[in-house]
Amino acid sequence: GQNIDQPTEMTATEGAIVQINCTYQTSGFNGLFWYQQHAGEAPTFLSYNVLDGLEEKGRFSSFLSRSKGYSYLLLKELQMKDSASYLCAVIGAAGNKLTFGGGTRVLVKP
Amino acid sequence: EAGVAQSPRYKIIEKRQSVAFWCNPISGHATLYWYQQILGQGPKLLIQFQNNGVVDDSQLPKDRFSAERLKGVDSTLKIQPAKLEDSAVYLCASSVTRLAGYNEQFFGPGTRLTVL
Repeated sequence: GQNIDQPTEMTATEGAIVQINCTYQTSGFNGLFWYQQHAGEAPTFLSYNVLDGLEEKGRFSSFLSRSKGYSYLLLKELQMKDSASYLCAVIGAAGNKLTFGGGTRVLVKP
Repeated sequence: EAGVAQSPRYKIIEKRQSVAFWCNPISGHATLYWYQQILGQGPKLLIQFQNNGVVDDSQLPKDRFSAERLKGVDSTLKIQPAKLEDSAVYLCASSVTRLAGYNEQFFGPGTRLTVL
């Protein structure tokens, strides 16, 4: 079966850094996605990792360790507009089926 | 490039009624997905189409849910009869092709269903 865990909620201050952890147990692994979802809106793509290591994209970075079944999303220089839910999703065995975690709601305070 | 279109955006029905949602994917995207997202949870895949064929419907409650993509382009998802627990946002997504690995899914705005 598929199991993806991430914290339910995190709070951080504007300008700070927040790290959202995601652990997964899946049958097969073909990549891990991070999506951002603002309240009432559709998820939008942030990052994709398939090999171990860090992928940096502007203020956002994503890390993957396949041996540990672990990923994190790092948000730097937080802005108020970063308040949203962040979804970790894994592609397991062959195919393009995404299994999502429950999402981490990040609240950025002034 | 136009995104994934969905309608209606909101729907309120009473339990035991029927409802249908429509999705038009991004032009050229062969793979189409329907997800159910209950408030406070991540999206759950209901059904995946490759062109007009079903690839995965293992989590679709087939006694009440049905979906079709007759011409391999737009799709409809139907619930008949609806239950209170069907209250959720129904997201449609599409991707270029069904290959393992990197294949970004583009999501529509969703239909928020409330069952009273």
